[in-house]
Amino acid sequence: RKEVEQDPGPFNVPEGATVAFNCTYSNSASQSFFWYRQDCRKEPKLLMSVYSSGNEDGRFTAQLNRASQYISLLIRDSKLSDSATYLCVVNLLSGGYNKLIFGAGTRLAVHP
Amino acid sequence: EAQVTQNPRYLITVTGKKLTVTCSQNMNHEYMSWYRQDPGLGLRQIYYSMNVEVTDKGDVPEGYKVSRKEKRNFPLILESPSPNQTSLYFCASSLTFLDSSYEQYFGPGTRLTVT
Repeated sequence: RKEVEQDPGPFNVPEGATVAFNCTYSNSASQSFFWYRQDCRKEPKLLMSVYSSGNEDGRFTAQLNRASQYISLLIRDSKLSDSATYLCVVNLLSGGYNKLIFGAGTRLAVHP
Repeated sequence: EAQVTQNPRYLITVTGKKLTVTCSQNMNHEYMSWYRQDPGLGLRQIYYSMNVEVTDKGDVPEGYKVSRKEKRNFPLILESPSPNQTSLYFCASSLTFLDSSYEQYFGPGTRLTVT
């Protein structure tokens, strides 16, 4: 089983739609959680951290359920510029240092 | 401008010909790391470095070497490349390895093809 699992998509949605991505992680010792965005053939960039109480950044809302080992990202009012791959990332304390474990990503395509 | 740079960005080479991919950051970050990205597998860590002269293996270190002689540079060396090392490689850095809240900054990537 992969340490971080995501639905690969693609999710094809019209502009203005609301779309949700889910992610599950296998190691209950995971300490912190992130969503990164990766545009085609470009480097990943941090979109937002995910906090236990849930957090929002503009049109983006992230949720964490530690009991179910589940993370979600909700995008409201989708824009064409939101088209990208969204990577679920989990931080694990391993051997005394913080190690990031990446999901394979969920691809989003927003169309006019 | 704060950034991580990698060179070359694209490389096509032949099996067995030694190559080095350079990585440099200008943010005085302690922690640097190399990843490879393959379809359906996500990013997998090859090697990491917690500071100058301190390096360790990640999840997929076979066939790779690294060095960290200066804080800003972290080159990835393939002594004898093989076709299964064809991949997209990313260098990344963050301020410290001790605090999970610090963002990792990625270089632009190096697309390597080994024939």
